[in-house]
Amino acid sequence: EDQVTQSPEALRLQEGESSSLNCSYTVSGLRGLFWYRQDPGKGPEFLFTLYSAGEEKEKERLKATLTKKESFLHITAPKPEDSATYLCAGGGYSTLTFGKGTMLLVSP
Amino acid sequence: DTAVSQTPKYLVTQMGNDKSIKCEQNLGHDTMYWYKQDSKKFLKIMFSYNNKELIINETVPNRFSPKSPDKAHLNLHINSLELGDSAVYFCASSWGVGETQYFGPGTRLLVL
Repeated sequence: EDQVTQSPEALRLQEGESSSLNCSYTVSGLRGLFWYRQDPGKGPEFLFTLYSAGEEKEKERLKATLTKKESFLHITAPKPEDSATYLCAGGGYSTLTFGKGTMLLVSP
Repeated sequence: DTAVSQTPKYLVTQMGNDKSIKCEQNLGHDTMYWYKQDSKKFLKIMFSYNNKELIINETVPNRFSPKSPDKAHLNLHINSLELGDSAVYFCASSWGVGETQYFGPGTRLLVL
């Protein structure tokens, strides 16, 4: 059975304090590793897709990386507006398997 | 322009009632999905349709029935609503199976 595990469940950072979120996965026939951002009361918003180990993608203060077993979302010098739940998902043969998310709170 | 839209946004109803949620996407995608997000925020796939054909039907009670009148629409009908059906239901779409999915804003269902 496909599994995606995210850690930590919650993370509190001071503005400017860089950190990383972890996503470990076991997905048969992985076609892509996806990162989404979800704000309270809204649907998940697509951030990145990573397709192969060693691949990296960046968007503003976020950088996603992928190994054969894990993906990391690095947040550099976060701002309060980066506060959200970050979801990781493995794309298998038929759909995406989501992790439970990491709730990030960035304090000014 | 809203890419994936859902109606209604909120739905409050009594146990035993039947209700429907509608989803429309204007992205030209071939594949559409329904997810359930529970109180712990865990997002779980319920159904997937590709070109109007059902391709995924996870372990979901028979009271839930999806219907896809065309590629751009996927509706969810729920019979005999139960308290445990209270959750947020998200519709999503993608070009193909296993590809990047784009989500709607969600329908918050509360069964009393």
